[in-house]
Amino acid sequence: NAGVTQTPKFRILKIGQSMTLQCAQDMNHNYMYWYRQDPGMGLKLIYYSVGAGITDKGEVPNGYNVSRSTTEDFPLRLELAAPSQTSVYFCASTTAGGASSYNEQFFGPGTRLTVL
Amino acid sequence: AQTVTQSQPEMSVQEAETVTLSCTYDTSESDYYLFWYKQPPSRQMILVIRQEAYKQQNATENRFSVNFQKAAKSFSLKISDSQLGDAAMYFCAYRSLQGAQKLVFGQGTRLTINP
Repeated sequence: NAGVTQTPKFRILKIGQSMTLQCAQDMNHNYMYWYRQDPGMGLKLIYYSVGAGITDKGEVPNGYNVSRSTTEDFPLRLELAAPSQTSVYFCASTTAGGASSYNEQFFGPGTRLTVL
Repeated sequence: AQTVTQSQPEMSVQEAETVTLSCTYDTSESDYYLFWYKQPPSRQMILVIRQEAYKQQNATENRFSVNFQKAAKSFSLKISDSQLGDAAMYFCAYRSLQGAQKLVFGQGTRLTINP
């Protein structure tokens, strides 16, 4: 298994450009997440999905959009990039279980995005 | 909403010594999970240890152990016999038992190991 994969690894955008960060997992996980990590800070949740066709906002959703057409893929779209979106973006996934059951959340390697 | 606070932006320790990283959290829930993650320079997020709130016994994984004080909402990580490979950012995280297993992270502590 490749686990959680993210592309690209690095990207530089100009202000106002758009791009899509790709995330895929091959573990048949229902739950997928996008987090961002600003320099020297912890991760904050942008969007998440509990299954194909179901997405919801996290703590910092402004400026982003997501879709989940398949179990495997969970792309994150940035429209009109701004310097405030300079960050490292992590995708993660886990299996759906009972709310009280422990299921490890697996993280991708991250995408470093710079907006100039 | 739950919050997680790590009040030590940086810590350092001599190789082979013991270091403790602090974490406090705020929640109105009675059952939840707490985690410590390690993030080396590679940026990869690595799960170090987890604690179920309903378990009174502190979790231990080899050289890593926690001191979980539920009433005080405190969750510290102790690293014994520190090794150079332990140098990294460490994040404390909270997960509710309700909802979609979302993680709430603290700000992180950068740990330096002095040889």
